[in-house]
Amino acid sequence: SQQGEEDPQALSIQEGENATMNCSYKTSINNLQWYRQNSGRGLVHLILIRSNEREKHSGRLRVTLDTSKKSSSLLITASRAADTASYFCATDLGMRGAQKLVFGQGTRLTINP
Amino acid sequence: NAGVTQTPKFQVLKTGQSMTLQCAQDMNHEYMSWYRQDPGMGLRLIHYSVGAGITDQGEVPNGYNVSRSTTEDFPLRLLSAAPSQTSVYFCASKSTGTEAFFGQGTRLTVV
Repeated sequence: SQQGEEDPQALSIQEGENATMNCSYKTSINNLQWYRQNSGRGLVHLILIRSNEREKHSGRLRVTLDTSKKSSSLLITASRAADTASYFCATDLGMRGAQKLVFGQGTRLTINP
Repeated sequence: NAGVTQTPKFQVLKTGQSMTLQCAQDMNHEYMSWYRQDPGMGLRLIHYSVGAGITDQGEVPNGYNVSRSTTEDFPLRLLSAAPSQTSVYFCASKSTGTEAFFGQGTRLTVV
């Protein structure tokens, strides 16, 4: 089964609103990463948060990590139509010799103009 | 730097045919992996490699083979294509503890 589970599976909001997506995982991690995928395209890395970090910002993106609850959230502020995409969390298990990156099923975000 | 290069971008196979999806990276990353993505789904790990000569199975390895003879290349072989292998395939590379870089994907249809 997949390590990460995103919630909600789909989210539709108005342009200018904030969008929050959540990710839960099952085992200890080295870091957690968020990616964006536009329809029919490859994945683009957004932000990486290490297991000893609690919050990280990048432009309009804010990521939090709670290792005690094994959960993370991605907040996109002041959303734009161009933010319409699928968003995936991925956990880097960081096990010696493994370095597996395991993805959740994603949140489909639609920004309505 | 080209990053991660996947070929071909599109492929149609008949059931039972074999083929190799190519993946090359020029970033000297030790870790490379193959994923498949089915409609409306996330990425599922097929095989991965932590260095030349070292490969291991992911979540869905059946029907696929890989090898890693060089740091740069990580080909994925479909031994006998089946309709269930119709999917979009992504190759990725990364270094220890860093983000992954993805190719643009190969859209494979097995008829």
